[in-house]
Amino acid sequence: DAGVTQSPTHLIKTRGQQVTLRCSPKSGHDTVSWYQQALGQGPQFIFQYYEEEERQRGNFPDRFSGHQFPNYSSELNVNALLLGDSALYLCASSQDGRDYEQYFGPGTRLTVT
Amino acid sequence: EDKVVQSPLSLVVHEGDTVTLNCSYEVTNFRSLLWYKQEKKAPTFLFMLTSSGIEKKSGRLSSILDKKELFSILNITATQTGDSAIYLCAVMGDTSYGKLTFGQGTILTVHP
Repeated sequence: DAGVTQSPTHLIKTRGQQVTLRCSPKSGHDTVSWYQQALGQGPQFIFQYYEEEERQRGNFPDRFSGHQFPNYSSELNVNALLLGDSALYLCASSQDGRDYEQYFGPGTRLTVT
Repeated sequence: EDKVVQSPLSLVVHEGDTVTLNCSYEVTNFRSLLWYKQEKKAPTFLFMLTSSGIEKKSGRLSSILDKKELFSILNITATQTGDSAIYLCAVMGDTSYGKLTFGQGTILTVHP
């Protein structure tokens, strides 16, 4: 049983560019949450998707947007990249109603130069 | 706004030592407190605590929650070099659809 997978593993972008990160949830999971982890910090909640809708959002600007597909996989899009967007982006999946059991993917390391 | 503060921020010990990691929190309508271990990238689940005073144990690791004083501790006895990692504490409120609020983590380094 594959766990949560994310792609790409690493990414280098230039300020002002746009980026798309991808996440496939663990089999049987229908809810995907995204977190940003800056160096030396704990993960910060960006948003959560369930039934292809954004269900909850953290304190992140509109430059951060997402999507969930019918197969429950998800994308995180960041527009107009800033240097401060450099971080590890983690995806976590869970089953609706069992949100205390969240499984994290290995993350995508984004570097903005 | 929910908040989690962990201490110490970093800790260096030798194999065989016992360590205690601290986590204090503020959360609206507390539902659960979770501990994770992060070695390379993906945080891996250690414990979930919902009730005060009940110790959770897994091998050399144990954790307890005090809902009155709003804190939790994670104990690791007889530390090994494989325990070197970042330990993250997170809280979840009951209206949060599983949104986790994390602390900044404690970096534990265990020397041989």
